Amino acid sequence: QVQLQQWGAGLLKPSETLSLTCAVYGGSFSGYFWTWIRQTPGKGLEWIGDINQSGSTIYKPSLRSRVTISVDTSNNQFSLKLTALTAADTAVYYCARRRGNSYPYYFDYWGQGTVVSVSS
Amino acid sequence: QSVLTQPPSVSGAPGQRVTISCTGSSSNIGAGYDVHWYQQVTGTAPKLLIFGHNNRPSGVPDRFSGSKSGTSASLAISGLQAEDEADYHCQSYDRSLGGSGVFGGGTKLTVL
Repeated sequence: QVQLQQWGAGLLKPSETLSLTCAVYGGSFSGYFWTWIRQTPGKGLEWIGDINQSGSTIYKPSLRSRVTISVDTSNNQFSLKLTALTAADTAVYYCARRRGNSYPYYFDYWGQGTVVSVSS
Repeated sequence: QSVLTQPPSVSGAPGQRVTISCTGSSSNIGAGYDVHWYQQVTGTAPKLLIFGHNNRPSGVPDRFSGSKSGTSASLAISGLQAEDEADYHCQSYDRSLGGSGVFGGGTKLTVL
């Protein structure tokens, strides 16, 4: 059974950097893309970006200048960094496993979510 | 202002059938892209409910079904049960936006 467990700081100030990590247990880490998604009350679910075990990434264009997703294959983990935070980045952040051979991909396993609040 | 539009809420009595709509445009659902559905119980992560052409992951009952027509898709839930009370999200792909997918704003299902 695949399980995703995520962690990271949840209370941040404007202009700071968000840093989250997601560990994958069970199943294979290679051969998949791994994803970060966030959820805000006003905008619903929002895809942030994906990475595979080789480090190939794809980011949401509107976030690309502030987002970095990295991978640590030795520990079956991947991470999210989001810089220059504003209140608009306040959300629940999820990691997930991406599936599918073509658009639209879908997400079959999710982490438990991390509440991130950006406030001075 | 999600790319895919869902009604904020729907409701139904136990045993009834309800449908949740997901309206897109010619650059997403109308372009022929599949629509996936997720169920999210309050306080938990979304759970994949329907993927591709009406496929259900193991463990999802066949009371849940998906359909698509033109620029819209629908999730139908038959034999409504109290445990179905949750938020439901649709997801597809938009060729003008790229990336891995776009979501609807979510629909809260209340079982009366």
